[in-house]
Formats: sequence, C-alpha cells, structure tokens
Amino acid sequence: GDSVTQMEGPVTLSEEAFLTINCTYTATGYPSLFWYVQYPGEGLQLLLKATKADDKGSNKGFEATYRKETTSFHLEKGSVQVSDSAVYFCALSEGGGSEKLVFGKGTKLTVNP
Amino acid sequence: GAGVSQSPSNKVTEKGKDVELRCDPISGHTALYWYRQSLGQGLEFLIYFQGNSAPDKSGLPSDRFSAERTGGSVSTLTIQRTQQEDSAVYLCASSKRSYEQYFGPGTRLTVT
Repeated sequence: GDSVTQMEGPVTLSEEAFLTINCTYTATGYPSLFWYVQYPGEGLQLLLKATKADDKGSNKGFEATYRKETTSFHLEKGSVQVSDSAVYFCALSEGGGSEKLVFGKGTKLTVNP
Repeated sequence: GAGVSQSPSNKVTEKGKDVELRCDPISGHTALYWYRQSLGQGLEFLIYFQGNSAPDKSGLPSDRFSAERTGGSVSTLTIQRTQQEDSAVYLCASSKRSYEQYFGPGTRLTVT
C-alpha cells in the first residue's frame, strides 16, 4: 500500500539556519503531496502542497518540489525562525474516490534563538 | 468563519465502556474524515464520508469502531468496549471534495 517515510528527528536548529526535512513516498499511482504542520497546542494545518510532478509548493518561506524520479518531496526553508518550532508531517493522497491522507511519522523541529 | 469543532476535547473512560466522539465540520464541506494520532502509530486514517455515505472504511481497526454521519453534517465516531490501545487523539477533518482538508483540534481519549 501507499506509504510515506520522513526523517524522524527531533531536529534542533539555531535561528536563521537552513532547514531540510526529507520525505519519500511509495504509491501505486500519481498522488498529490502535502506538508502539514502542527504548532504546539494547535491543530494540524496545511503548510503547502503539490499535485503533479515538478510542481513546487511554497508558503511562509517553506518550499518543497514534487520529484517523481526520486519519489521525494523534501521540505526546505532558507532561514528558520523560533516561531517555526513545530511538528511537520509529510503526507500523500491518491484520490480516486477517497481523498484520505497517508502521513509520515512526523518530524519535531525546535528552533533556538 | 467557524472551523471544524470536536467534542469532547478530553475523554477519560474505563476499559470496556463505550464512547462517542463528535465532529462538526465546516458548513458546506461534503467530505469528512476521521484520523487517529497515537505515539506508536503516528497519524492513521480511519474512515471517509462523502455526504452521508462512507465509501472508504478501510482504516477502522476493528468491528468495535463505527461511525455515522447525518444530514451531511455532524459525524459521530463510536468505540465499543474500549481497550487501552484505543487511547489516542482522534482527529476529524472536513473538505470540499478534492480540496484542502481542515482539521479540528481533536479529542484526546484515555482508556484506564
């Protein structure tokens, strides 16, 4: 079945450091790919998405590119802030009648001032 | 506007009891999803509703779990004869079909 593998962390960075969180997937078709974020004490919210190969999703300075050849969707940010501290989840959706999300295990990011 | 709401926010129950968890989706969202978030298993899909029907129930872990949706709106997830392994945060999400899923704050279930 479909699956998502992401680096589990935790990841600790200093403010203004470069962030990469790796995510790879296994799917039978051509899924849509997502990054969700869960800030402390808050619910899951969509950070960015890409629906087809070579698409780049971006939001709040974060970017991820849908790479079909490497089945990857790595999350990057050039300069993290303390407010980026959260748990990040990579996810996919195959569609085809059920838009259910299949999630990775999550990566906890802590950014220190 | 109002987001997805879930109740109760916390539920502590004794092993063997039945529990009902409620989800109020965003008005106009035809799709509704239940997920479970636990330390050991991460985020798992449970069931998907389109309107009042459930075309995908593949994530329900056992026949102790059931869900219904009425009037294309409110949904209830019922767990019968709860077990300790049912302890988790149960998340509900809603969406317009094929669009972004909006998540509620979750219900934290603790089975003692």
